Amino acid sequence: KQEVTQIPAALSVPEGENLVLNCSFTDSAIYNLQWFRQDPGKGLTSLLLIQSSQREQTSGRLNASLDKSSGRSTLYIAASQPGDSATYLCAAFQGGTSYGKLTFGQGTILTVHP
Amino acid sequence: KAGVTQTPRYLIKTRGQQVTLSCSPISGHRSVSWYQQTPGQGLQFLFEYFSETQRNKGNFPGRFSGRQFSNSRSEMNVSTLELGDSALYLCASSTGQGRQETQYFGPGTRLLVL
Repeated sequence: KQEVTQIPAALSVPEGENLVLNCSFTDSAIYNLQWFRQDPGKGLTSLLLIQSSQREQTSGRLNASLDKSSGRSTLYIAASQPGDSATYLCAAFQGGTSYGKLTFGQGTILTVHP
Repeated sequence: KAGVTQTPRYLIKTRGQQVTLSCSPISGHRSVSWYQQTPGQGLQFLFEYFSETQRNKGNFPGRFSGRQFSNSRSEMNVSTLELGDSALYLCASSTGQGRQETQYFGPGTRLLVL
C-alpha cells in the first residue's frame, strides 16, 4: 500500500528566499509523481508532473526532482513571493490495480511574508 | 477549454439524509475520480470511473457510491449521512489513458452535515 509523507508540515519564510519542500513515498512502482497547489477552500492546481523515467521537471520558478529508487521528490521554489503562500501537495500515481488513483501526502503549508 | 465544474458548491444536510454531488469533466476527458478532503485525514481516494465503468475504488463504506454517464459527467451519492462525512469533495478529470496523465481538479463541493 502506497504511503506518501511530506516534510515539513508548515514553513514560514521571508519574501525572496529559495525553499525546498520534501516528499517521500514507500512504493517506488509509480508511473509519475505530481505536485499540486491548493489555496484555502479551493480545488487543486497542477504545478508539475514528473514521469517515472525523469529526474527533473521545471516550470518558471519551480523545479521538481524525482529519485524513484530512494522514494523521494523535492519541490524547489526560487525567489519566493507572498503569492506563493498556499498548501503544496505531492501525489503518487500508480498503475496496475491502483490505476487512476492518486495517493496524496498531507501537504506543506507555506507562508511567504513580505 | 472549460475546466472541471462541480455542483453544488456548498451543501448543508442533516444526519441520516442523502446527498448527490455532480462533476462535469473537461471536454474530451473520459476519466473522473472523486476524493474526500478532511483536516484529519487529508485527501483520500473514493473511486474512479472511465467510460461509465468503475475502474478503481478506495476504502470507503458502501454508503458512498457513484456513477458515470455516457457524456462522462459523474455523480457521487452518499446515503445515510454521518457527521464525519462533512468534508470538501473534489473531483478530477483526465483522458484516463497512458501513464503521464495530469489530473485536473474542480473547485470542490463543501458538504456540512449537522
